[in-house]
Amino acid sequence: DTEVTQTPKHLVMGMTNKKSLKCEQHMGHRAMYWYKQKAKKPPELMFVYSYEKLSINESVPSRFSPECPNSSLLNLHLHALQPEDSALYLCASSQTMGATDTQYFGPGTRLTVL
Amino acid sequence: GIQVEQSPPDLILQEGANSTLRCNFSDSVNNLQWFHQNPWGQLINLFYIPSGTKQNGRLSATTVATERYSLLYISSSQTTDSGVYFCAVEWPASKLTFGTGTRLQVTL
Repeated sequence: DTEVTQTPKHLVMGMTNKKSLKCEQHMGHRAMYWYKQKAKKPPELMFVYSYEKLSINESVPSRFSPECPNSSLLNLHLHALQPEDSALYLCASSQTMGATDTQYFGPGTRLTVL
Repeated sequence: GIQVEQSPPDLILQEGANSTLRCNFSDSVNNLQWFHQNPWGQLINLFYIPSGTKQNGRLSATTVATERYSLLYISSSQTTDSGVYFCAVEWPASKLTFGTGTRLQVTL
């Protein structure tokens, strides 16, 4: 099974809402990633978790709060977002941290902030 | 930071045609990967190719690390090949930096 699942597929939220994105993998991978992709742009790395610990934070605003409750699950908590945060949010996992391992991506969550 | 440029930015092919996509990068990298993003947003890893040539069915890729470029060949294209093709390099260490992308449309 080489599947990474993400829920929800689509999310519309107001600037005062709090919501969460969820990502799950059952491949035994120990590294998990959040990427943000704006329309017609390449994905940009946001966070990397390695062995359930936050290893990389690409200077992401604090209104995005990642969480890794266990080795299979990755959440992204959203609060007080801005309209410019509207994007496709992609989760990925790999055997270990490091670009030498193949990253498997989920289908993404399309987020619209009104 | 590193620059990763892909060409052409857009490509329209008729089904059955062949094409070559190019990825140029501005600094030495440890590895390079090619991805296909389908029209629904799903990213699929096609090749892990830090150097040399690999083939997988109708797709093949070549990376010449010393000259800082990689090529992706698509032969006998099909409508299901449509989408955006990204190369991604490891730069800095442990991070994937994606290229600008090539948007491919294959028509009947």
